[in-house]
Amino acid sequence: SAVISQKPSRDICQRGTSLTIQCQVDSQVTMMFWYRQQPGQSLTLIATANQGSEATYESGFVIDKFPISRPNLTFSTLTVSNLSPEDSSIYLCSVSEPQETQYFGPGTRLLVL
Amino acid sequence: GNSVTQMEGPVTLSEEAFLTINCTYTATGYPSLFWYVQYPGEGLQLLLKATKADDKGSNKGFEATYRKETTSFHLEKGSVQVSDSAVYFCALRLNSGYSTLTFGKGTMLLVSP
Repeated sequence: SAVISQKPSRDICQRGTSLTIQCQVDSQVTMMFWYRQQPGQSLTLIATANQGSEATYESGFVIDKFPISRPNLTFSTLTVSNLSPEDSSIYLCSVSEPQETQYFGPGTRLLVL
Repeated sequence: GNSVTQMEGPVTLSEEAFLTINCTYTATGYPSLFWYVQYPGEGLQLLLKATKADDKGSNKGFEATYRKETTSFHLEKGSVQVSDSAVYFCALRLNSGYSTLTFGKGTMLLVSP
């Protein structure tokens, strides 16, 4: 199984600022995903980030708001830009090999004031 | 499209009671089915999975059987513990290529002593 860490684990940010979340995996993985979990809600996929290619965004999510980097097979960052209170959520990193078990990080809890 | 429907929560039980959390799905192809659990303040953990019809996934006393005829994957446990209190997510993933998980809305389980 993959062990995933995320930094920061939580943060409180002012509106209009940005937050960059880091995701580190203890082994090389092909697929990395970023999810958002709004309070009391299920998980919504933001984008898929495969190394060596541009991130693929789901409907309703755009690169200007959620830029993603995937510089190598063990690391990715998600930036949430121009923060508003509606961005207050848990952001989860997830990894998988094609058709293998998908593992999740512990999440980053963001509160925007 | 693909979707997962779970029973509304919270489900409130006394310790040692029998648990059922209903999950049904619609899918455009042949999916694998999963149950993930999220303990308070943590990320998601894979609880069990089944990859084809009539498979039974099991772990930690929990079971779920992949029923293609009823498109269901209900989660059961014969005797719940206080430590089982968590949010349970049913999910599917198509068995093709770089497919990702589609989650249900989650069902909160509260077990009292």
